[in-house]
Amino acid sequence: DAKTTQPNSMESNEEEPVHLPCNHSTISGTDYIHWYRQLPSQGPEYVIHGLTSNVNNRMASLAIAEDRKSSTLILHRATLRDAAVYYCILRVLLGGKLTFGQGTILTVHP
Amino acid sequence: DADVTQTPRNRITKTGKRIMLECSQTKGHDRMYWYRQDPGLGLRLIYYSFDVKDINKGEISDGYSVSRQAQAKFSLSLESAIPNQTALYFCATGAGQAGNQPQHFGDGTRLSIL
Repeated sequence: DAKTTQPNSMESNEEEPVHLPCNHSTISGTDYIHWYRQLPSQGPEYVIHGLTSNVNNRMASLAIAEDRKSSTLILHRATLRDAAVYYCILRVLLGGKLTFGQGTILTVHP
Repeated sequence: DADVTQTPRNRITKTGKRIMLECSQTKGHDRMYWYRQDPGLGLRLIYYSFDVKDINKGEISDGYSVSRQAQAKFSLSLESAIPNQTALYFCATGAGQAGNQPQHFGDGTRLSIL
């Protein structure tokens, strides 16, 4: 599986936008980019995914670089509830597995 | 009610005991997974099943076994528990084979082996 690289930690203030980066320079043309987050004492939660185009849903936006070697998860207005570990994961076209790295610990300050 | 339910939520047991962790889902998904998470680390895949008759090893299957009793049920067993199997265990389900399908996780079982 292609590897992703994320910063170990990031901080934000409540109600400000947060941009969480992910590098995936060895991504193949058919790999989907998935983001999950894990709140304390909970299982991972699906956030968003994309292939080539930018994506928006009720939780976040996903901006994908034109060469697909990097992507950014955007939380438009961080809340305290968004404090979590965020995982950027590449998923092969016909693969069922998710390969988790260490993710980015997001701290949100009141 | 949760879509993916794991029981028990917490378990403390002794070395050498047989342990079974259970997972049930109401999402109607064919695919089910067992992951393990150790402190400060991401999740690692233990076993997965694409349907009732299909069982596959993940990256860390040694010391574990699974049973897919029905589409909705997938259990993980530790035949003879050892302390380094102390971890947080997650079950997940998935809707299909395509890479654009998300997985849905339970809230985990915290297992401590003394």
